[in-house]
Amino acid sequence: AQSVTQLGSHVSVSEGALVLLRCNYSSSVPPYLFWYVQYPNQGLQLLLKYTSAATLVKGINGFEAEFKKSETSFHLTKPSAHMSDAAEYFCAVSHSGSARQLTFGSGTQLTVLP
Amino acid sequence: DTAVSQTPKYLVTQMGNDKSIKCEQNLGHDTMYWYKQDSKKFLKIMFSYNNKELIINETVPNRFSPKSPDKAHLNLHINSLELGDSAVYFCASSHRTGRTEAFFGQGTRLTVV
Repeated sequence: AQSVTQLGSHVSVSEGALVLLRCNYSSSVPPYLFWYVQYPNQGLQLLLKYTSAATLVKGINGFEAEFKKSETSFHLTKPSAHMSDAAEYFCAVSHSGSARQLTFGSGTQLTVLP
Repeated sequence: DTAVSQTPKYLVTQMGNDKSIKCEQNLGHDTMYWYKQDSKKFLKIMFSYNNKELIINETVPNRFSPKSPDKAHLNLHINSLELGDSAVYFCASSHRTGRTEAFFGQGTRLTVV
């Protein structure tokens, strides 16, 4: 079984401030981890993914995430928030033994304040 | 070129009606999915097909029936629509292995009145 917990359903940051969105996973086998972003009335777009290579993963739009096995975490960060980063962010997990499905966290709504 | 396209984008219908949502992907993927996103934005998998074969069928009312005529298409038919079926339905596709990401369509916002 696999699951994802995203701490904080709403996060607000000021423009230019650090963005930190938290994700913890549970998996009985080595996981593959993903961050997706959803803009209003749109589908999900992949930001980045961890698939057992480098533990620090860089994605699009300046985002990155670090896989920490000891903490079972995969937190998403961005050094400086832009107004355009305001969206819903989802962490997701799958693994090689799964029936190829993604299990999503409950999402974090990021608000960027001017 | 849209990678995963689903139609319609919006669907408003009355209770008791039957409706279909169509999905097509041009990425050459062998696995396709339907996800449901509720009003709280929670995403839950409904079905998964690999090479036209059903491999995941989560606890979904049997009023929902997926149909995959070929690897590039996965349609969702819903019978006897209920108010609680109102949600956004996303189609997605991926390669077979779990390490690859899924690509999502734009979603179909279904409103049952």
